[in-house]
Amino acid sequence: NAGVTQTPKFQVLKTGQSMTLQCAQDMNHEYMSWYRQDPGMGLRLIHYSVGAGITDQGEVPNGYNVSRSTTEDFPLRLLSAAPSQTSVYFCASSFRLDQPQHFGDGTRLSIL
Amino acid sequence: AQRVTQPEKLLSVFKGAPVELKCNYSYSGSPELFWYVQYSRQRLQLLLRHISRESIKGFTADLNKGETSFHLKKPFAQEEDSAMYYCALSGSSGGSNYKLTFGKGTLLTVNP
Repeated sequence: NAGVTQTPKFQVLKTGQSMTLQCAQDMNHEYMSWYRQDPGMGLRLIHYSVGAGITDQGEVPNGYNVSRSTTEDFPLRLLSAAPSQTSVYFCASSFRLDQPQHFGDGTRLSIL
Repeated sequence: AQRVTQPEKLLSVFKGAPVELKCNYSYSGSPELFWYVQYSRQRLQLLLRHISRESIKGFTADLNKGETSFHLKKPFAQEEDSAMYYCALSGSSGGSNYKLTFGKGTLLTVNP
């Protein structure tokens, strides 16, 4: 009964470091997405994927890369961390976009 | 372009009082609309979708296409309803890809 699993739950980085946030789902969902949640800004879409091998940019893609080599996994890469990327990151998945999204627990990321 | 507006960042009511969380949208086609809820430090979860027309935890929401609104209502608020509520719209951005757009959220506090 895992659903959407995000790792790590917390991370502190220094400016300029790179890292990958992991997201995995076991529901055979085609659609996966990454959001960042900031106070007063709500949820903003970073990148999304409609299936393995297909990704596209969302509202705030700069500084982030994604890939979708399998249906289950959708990692988010920060290339060179900046303080402006301090946020809570949520991964979500669904069969189709017009279906309810299943969210992970989030990754709380701080960039010093 | 699709847009979701939640005009109230904060809403505070007393236990037993009616509550209405406002959501207005901008979209040229027939939207799929959702309400998601996030309790303190938990993952987002689906509360309602307009197509199901059901009541969850005493909450209802009616799609008003004339006013382009999807307000969330509950006749008698409970303390456990205190949470962040997000309205979301799923629609095509003009091409074949659908996108899910969230409002900025309303933080509901129900006081004893």
